[in-house]
Amino acid sequence: EVKLVESGGGLVQPGRSLKLSCAASGFSFNDYWMGWVRQAPGKGLEWIGEINQDSSTINYTPSLKDKFTISRDNAQNTLYLQMSKLGSEDTAIYYCALSLAYWGQGTLVTVSS
Amino acid sequence: DIVMTQAPLSVSVTPGESASISCRSSKSLLHSNGITYVYWYLQKPGKSPQLLIYRMSNLASGVPDRFSGSGSETDFTLKISRVEAEDVGIYYCGQLLENPYTFGAGTKLELK
Repeated sequence: EVKLVESGGGLVQPGRSLKLSCAASGFSFNDYWMGWVRQAPGKGLEWIGEINQDSSTINYTPSLKDKFTISRDNAQNTLYLQMSKLGSEDTAIYYCALSLAYWGQGTLVTVSS
Repeated sequence: DIVMTQAPLSVSVTPGESASISCRSSKSLLHSNGITYVYWYLQKPGKSPQLLIYRMSNLASGVPDRFSGSGSETDFTLKISRVEAEDVGIYYCGQLLENPYTFGAGTKLELK
């Protein structure tokens, strides 16, 4: 069974950084593209970006390219999202996804002073 | 970016009846490989999105065959036959043809 478990969310002050993790199990992690999607409270889905199997290709939505960094550790079956210069507009549930076919339960990030 | 436009924003359905949700893309989602890269998701209340349909008309694993997807290069339809209580939630279409991947605003399905 595919399982994706995000962690690392919480309350963070504006301008600070935060790193999210996604622990994957139930499939061969290093065979798949992985990605992140977020959802602001009461809003729709926003694709953040994706990373290929060996981290040689990473794609981002243009508006977040300079703030967010996606990485992965295939030895640890873990996907990461490093977020910097956070603002209130980044308050959202952050989901990791296996090729946008399977999604984790999400982790809530709240940016507030 | 490719814009995905869904209609209606909400739909109210009597259990046992059918429902259809439309999605239109601002650009053809038909790849040169013959695959149309439109996907459908259901987000049940308080849950993460789950994949229903991939590549326009393929049923995802474990999804009841009451769900079906169809369409052309830019106009797509998700049909739910014999709506059940467990189908309540927000339905999203999404395009995975090109970066950045984009989603429609969602269609909320409620029961009458």
